[in-house]
Amino acid sequence: DIVMTQAPLSVSVTPGESASISCRSSKSLLHSNGITYVYWYLQKPGKSPQLLIYRMSNLASGVPDRFSGSGSETDFTLKISRVEAEDVGIYYCGQLLENPLTFGSGTKLEIK
Amino acid sequence: EVKLLESGGGLVQPGGSLRLSCAASGFTFADFYMSWIRQSPGKAPEWLSFIRNKANSYTTEYNPSVKGRFTISRDDTQNVLYLQMNTLRAEDTAIYYCAKHSDGGYFDYWGQGVMVTVSS
Repeated sequence: DIVMTQAPLSVSVTPGESASISCRSSKSLLHSNGITYVYWYLQKPGKSPQLLIYRMSNLASGVPDRFSGSGSETDFTLKISRVEAEDVGIYYCGQLLENPLTFGSGTKLEIK
Repeated sequence: EVKLLESGGGLVQPGGSLRLSCAASGFTFADFYMSWIRQSPGKAPEWLSFIRNKANSYTTEYNPSVKGRFTISRDDTQNVLYLQMNTLRAEDTAIYYCAKHSDGGYFDYWGQGVMVTVSS
């Protein structure tokens, strides 16, 4: 199975500041078709996960452009610019390259 | 508006069975792959299974953690996704979500989830 390792476990951010979350995969997520199959989700308290970023760097519909994704074949970063109170929750990376589809263990974002 | 509404959860004894349903609306259900994903309390989501659409012969994939015990199916005439769960164990206790796959394969919509508790 592809293991997704996230860091840090939690991050506390002042509103208006930026935050970065890292995710590392145990195998390259770059397919021969040129697509990198890594995704980012946010699970707000008491809610279902919602898609933020697909295919490493593409912003999902309705997601503010304060969110951005980047990375290489195995190392990925979610950056949140100008953090707002509504951004609190647990952020998960995930891979869809091969079955079983797997998720990282999550990074909890809190507001200072 | 896409809506996914799970039902069928509850308390079941170890070794028992349960069938979950996911009623879909707001999109052409028959055209899309669908998945079941679960999340144990305080843990990350765990993908369980997906079923392809009719164009791809309704073929299925399973996480080895549940293969042989869980069965995914769908009824495109009723826009419903199912998960039959047999030989349930305490470690199957979780919130179970159904999720729609986008054309690109990723989960673009999730249901609100249904709780399954396996305990004597």
